[in-house]
Formats: sequence, structure tokens, C-alpha cells
Amino acid sequence: QLQLQESGPGLVKPSETLSLTCTVSGGSIRSRNYYWGWIRQPPGKGLELIGSIYYSGSTYYSPSLKSRVTISVDTSKNQFSLKLTSVTAADTAVYYCARHVDYAYYFDYWGQGTLVTVSS
Amino acid sequence: QSALTQPASVSGSPGQSITISCTGTSSDVGSYNLVSWYQQHPGKAPKLLIYEVSKRPSGVSNRFSGSKSGKMASLTISGLQAEDEADYYCCSYAGSSTFVVFGGGTKLTVL
Repeated sequence: QLQLQESGPGLVKPSETLSLTCTVSGGSIRSRNYYWGWIRQPPGKGLELIGSIYYSGSTYYSPSLKSRVTISVDTSKNQFSLKLTSVTAADTAVYYCARHVDYAYYFDYWGQGTLVTVSS
Repeated sequence: QSALTQPASVSGSPGQSITISCTGTSSDVGSYNLVSWYQQHPGKAPKLLIYEVSKRPSGVSNRFSGSKSGKMASLTISGLQAEDEADYYCCSYAGSSTFVVFGGGTKLTVL
């Protein structure tokens, strides 16, 4: 059974960089036809795709976050990571990692999510 | 403001059927049969219920069904059960620039 687990600091100061890692177990991140994505959910609000990456390194970033986001993959560790720079309180959210199917664009496996709070 | 429009809340009694609408545009729901639906219980990660408009993943109850007409997709839950009380989100592919868009979510209350 595929499992995804987010890890990283739960508190980040304003203007600093948010860094999270998603570890994939029970399957290979090198699987063809799957992208690996980051989705966030501000408290009490809806879902927002941040971006996605293929094991080869091909990426997609949300146009609204593109200038601040970098997603990378480490196939040797079966992990992919998110960096979001210059964070503000508006970036406070639960961050999920998820797998989505290429060309079908649905998210079939999700991590449990991790709350990241931006505060001094 | 979310890209896809969902009602903020719906309610129904046990055993009844309810439908949640998801209205998009000609750039997303209206152009692609790539609508998915997710169920989210409080404090939990979203769970995939429906993909490609009307397909159910293995293990999802057949009480959940999806459909689409024009720019509007719908999720129907039949035989409502207390455990169905949750938030529901729709999602649609929206082209190579925007990628995917989500609805704002609908809170389902089982009376």
C-alpha cells in the first residue's frame, strides 16, 4: 500500500523559507505515469495546488506561486521536496503531498498533512 | 475566490439522496472530462471519491456517483449515512497553464 509522509518545521518566521519533504513508501517515486504534488489548505479554507514534479524532474508550478516555489525530487531516497520562499502569514496552511495520475489529473494517494504556521 | 463554484453547504436526512454541484467554465469543466471529487473529514486528508467525471476507485461505495453536463459537474450521494458528513471538493483539469483548479468545498450535514 502506497504511503506518503510529510516532514518539516511546523513554524516558520515571516520572510524566511518554508521547506518540507515528502517520503514515499510502499512504491517507487520512479513509477511512470505519476506526478508527485504539493497541495495546501489554509485553516478553514479550500484546497490549492502548489505544484507537481515527475521523477525525471519535470515540474509544474501554480502561476500564483511560481516566483516563490521550487519542487525537487530525490529518487535515491524516494522523496520529493518543497521550498517556498519569502513566506507571510497568508502561507499558513496544512500542506499535503499527494500522487496524481498523469493525463488524468486526479490525486489518488495523499499524505496526512502537516500544519505550517508562519509567525514571528 | 475559488475557480470552481460549489454550494457552501447541503444537508439531508439518513437514507435520502443529495447532489452537490460544481460549476466551472469553458476552460475547465466544460472542456475536459477530467473532474474529480474528494471527501474530507475534519482533521483528515482528502480522499478520492470520483475521477474522470464518473469513475469510482476500488473500495469507494457505489452510493457515490458523478456526472457532468456542460460546465457543471455533480456528485450524488444516495442512501445518506451519518459517516457521509464531511466536506466535499471538486477538482478539474484546466489546461497546461493552470493545470488543475479546485472548488471551494461543500459542507454536507446529515440531519
